[in-house]
Amino acid sequence: NAGVTQTPKFRILKIGQSMTLQCTQDMNHNYMYWYRQDPGMGLKLIYYSVGAGITDKGEVPNGYNVSRSTTEDFPLRLELAAPSQTSVYFCASSYSEGSYNEQFFGPGTRLTVL
Amino acid sequence: QKEVEQNSGPLSVPEGAIASLNCTYSDRGSQSFFWYRQYSGKSPELIMFIYSNGDKEDGRFTAQLNKASQYVSLLIRDSQPSDSATYLCAVGEYGNKLVFGAGTILRVKS
Repeated sequence: NAGVTQTPKFRILKIGQSMTLQCTQDMNHNYMYWYRQDPGMGLKLIYYSVGAGITDKGEVPNGYNVSRSTTEDFPLRLELAAPSQTSVYFCASSYSEGSYNEQFFGPGTRLTVL
Repeated sequence: QKEVEQNSGPLSVPEGAIASLNCTYSDRGSQSFFWYRQYSGKSPELIMFIYSNGDKEDGRFTAQLNKASQYVSLLIRDSQPSDSATYLCAVGEYGNKLVFGAGTILRVKS
């Protein structure tokens, strides 16, 4: 199993540009998450999904959109990039709600907005 | 909004010593607690989880939970230079979500 994969690894955007960060998991996990991590900070939840067709906002959703058309894929869309969106973005997945809900993380996408 | 607080460090310990990492959380109803390790430039990886008051041991790692004090800690015995990383405390919440602290940087000096 590849686990959670993310593309691209690095990206530089100009202010106002748009892009999609890709995330795919091959563990048949129904829960998927998008986090951002700013330097010296913990992870902040942007959006999450409990299954195909179901998404919900996390703590910091402004400026982002998501979709979940399949179990495997959970892309994150930035519509009008701003310098405040410069961060490292992690996608994660977990199996199900319950007492043991380990989240498995992808390698991250380092995004710079200039 | 739930809050998870950690001392940012860095915490410096000599090789072979015990490293003690601490975390407090705001929601008294929290039930699940996780410690993730994150090497520089890498993604977080789970090293311990704990649900019940008391201690849970796994190799050189021991997680300690005190729900009355809303306090969870991670002890690393016989610290090695390879343990140098940022340790993230996370608290579980409804919907299989996690709330993360900002992390504590640990440096183990040989």
